[in-house]
Amino acid sequence: GAVVSQHPSWVICKSGTSVKIECRSLDFQATTMFWYRQFPKQSLMLMATSNEGSKATYEQGVEKDKFLINHASLTLSTLTVTSAHPEDSSFYICSAILAGGRDTQYFGPGTRLTVL
Amino acid sequence: GENVEQHPSTLSVQEGDSAVIKCTYSDSASNYFPWYKQELGKRPQLIIDIRSNVGEKKDQRIAVTLNKTAKHFSLHITETQPEDSAVYFCAASKVNTGFQKLVFGTGTRLLVSP
Repeated sequence: GAVVSQHPSWVICKSGTSVKIECRSLDFQATTMFWYRQFPKQSLMLMATSNEGSKATYEQGVEKDKFLINHASLTLSTLTVTSAHPEDSSFYICSAILAGGRDTQYFGPGTRLTVL
Repeated sequence: GENVEQHPSTLSVQEGDSAVIKCTYSDSASNYFPWYKQELGKRPQLIIDIRSNVGEKKDQRIAVTLNKTAKHFSLHITETQPEDSAVYFCAASKVNTGFQKLVFGTGTRLLVSP
């Protein structure tokens, strides 16, 4: 149980285009999902906290107009990287907390974004 | 905000030896401390966690200890095997606050040689 999927697993796009990444909780409902970014050989850095039906809470230094987050249902959150640039190339990972759960975060498999 | 430091950044051991990874945190209100194992290009996997009302927790070859006074916690892996080779991350969080945000350490690359 508690499986989180992401789609796509990897994507290559041209500079200036937008890319949408989906995060789904497959067998549970998640009121809260998190989006992380991980550069090579570095730790996971929280970008934003996504709550179903409300606006996401962004971490300091993360541009909310560039990284659009939508959490429209209890099983789906999306991250859209708008006007992507090469410096946005990274491994994006989402996680989800079971609705009514307290602490354990279940991570998705990640999406590797490469911007040319 | 919370700051988590992790040492060492790399750790090489021989198969069968023990490995210890240490983390310190800054926010005394943090009360949940998970450890994740991440293989290259894969998702972080929870291997063990501990809550602040417990000083030690063990699961087969893996154990975690917590010292709330000193604000540090450690991961202990005994009888290491080559498949334990991965990057390990500690994290800290304040649960029951509405937003269970995890702050991760910088990671430790563990290499277990046969």
